Order: sequence, then structure tokens, then C-alpha cells
Amino acid sequence: GAGVSQSPRYKVAKRGQDVALRCDPISGHVSLFWYQQALGQGPEFLTYFQNEAQLDKSGLPSDRFFAERPEGSVSTLKIQRTQQEDSAVYLCASSPPGGLSGYTFGSGTRLTVV
Amino acid sequence: GDSVTQMEGPVTLSEEAFLTINCTYTATGYPSLFWYVQYPGEGLQLLLKATKADDKGSNKGFEATYRKETTSFHLEKGSVQVSDSAVYFCALMGEDDKIIFGKGTRLHILP
Repeated sequence: GAGVSQSPRYKVAKRGQDVALRCDPISGHVSLFWYQQALGQGPEFLTYFQNEAQLDKSGLPSDRFFAERPEGSVSTLKIQRTQQEDSAVYLCASSPPGGLSGYTFGSGTRLTVV
Repeated sequence: GDSVTQMEGPVTLSEEAFLTINCTYTATGYPSLFWYVQYPGEGLQLLLKATKADDKGSNKGFEATYRKETTSFHLEKGSVQVSDSAVYFCALMGEDDKIIFGKGTRLHILP
């Protein structure tokens, strides 16, 4: 597609439930990033893929967070046993090699844990 | 580690006023610098960028100059419009290709 597509747009989860958030990057973009944006804050880095390789996962807040990109295209961010502090907008971005053109962001998935 | 500090908002201006949003950074090496904008209900959009010292990025009447000596990348616009109301994020990309964002500055423009 023309842009980065994320689904679902909104997700309400009960505390303790597992969730999976999907990101479809721009075709041909080898780099893919996940960010977490809490209300009123800037996006915080979670993890980074180059093709199917996860090169940096230093921003994942706990071992309940897991991301994958098995074929180097679509990526899934999974959160197990969700907690209220996981409530945020999860942003996906992709970029061509080098990244100097900046990333293209998706519209995000707003996760609310109740 | 790398970091970005930008002025806190909200900033409220009248239409046609001059805008400055301050941004300073800390980074090893020579980062690329960006301003992103987030309009109400929309995703993050790249507004402008600069990749080396003294570069000036510009778009939609906004400008920012990469100042290595003061580690700054202040956003300016000569005459703001109501449609410029949004949240603005200063950001840097270091040698690891990871973008680090500031906390954002909310801008309100009054007609």
C-alpha cells in the first residue's frame, strides 16, 4: 500500500488478556520500528527490525512484550498478560535503507487496558 | 545516551504571529535532526529535516537550522495559521538509526 497500515485502530483489553497488534510497512522498506506513546508524551522506542532480524529490542519494557517479523514484511507486537500501564498508542514506522529520509509512521493502535 | 529537550507547552499564539519552538539535543557523533507534527486525530508526519551542521530544513513555511555549536534545532515560522494547531516533536537519529523524540509541544493558534 501507499502508507504504513496498523490494525486494529483501537483495542480494549481486560487486564491479564493477551493482545496482538499488526503492522504492514511500506513495500520495500527494510527497516521497521515500534514505538509506544503514552498520553501527552513523545513516542518511546520499543524495538527495531531490519528485514526479519530484530536488531534492537532494548526498549521493550518487560518480558511480556514480544515482537516478530518472520518474513521481513508484516510485523506483530504481542503483549501478554496486559496491565493498565500498557495503555498507550503503539506506533509502527518503516523506512528505506539508511533512514535519512525519516520514518513513515502508521496511524497507530490505541490500546486501553481496563 | 542520546536525548532531545524541547520547550514545554502548550504554546498559544494569535494568527499571523511569529513562532519559535526551542529544541536542544545531546548526542554522540553527528545525528540527523527532524521535526515531526501530529495534527488532531492523525498520525505523526515528518515536517522537515537536516542531516548536517548548518543545514536548514524547511516545509510549509516552517524552518529549522542545524546548529552544532549550540546543539540546537529550533523550529520557526514567520506567520502562523489556525491550521498549524498541532503537537510538534523534535527528534534526532543517531548512528544506530534509532529516532529519539522529545516530549512534544502543543501549539494552539487563535483566530
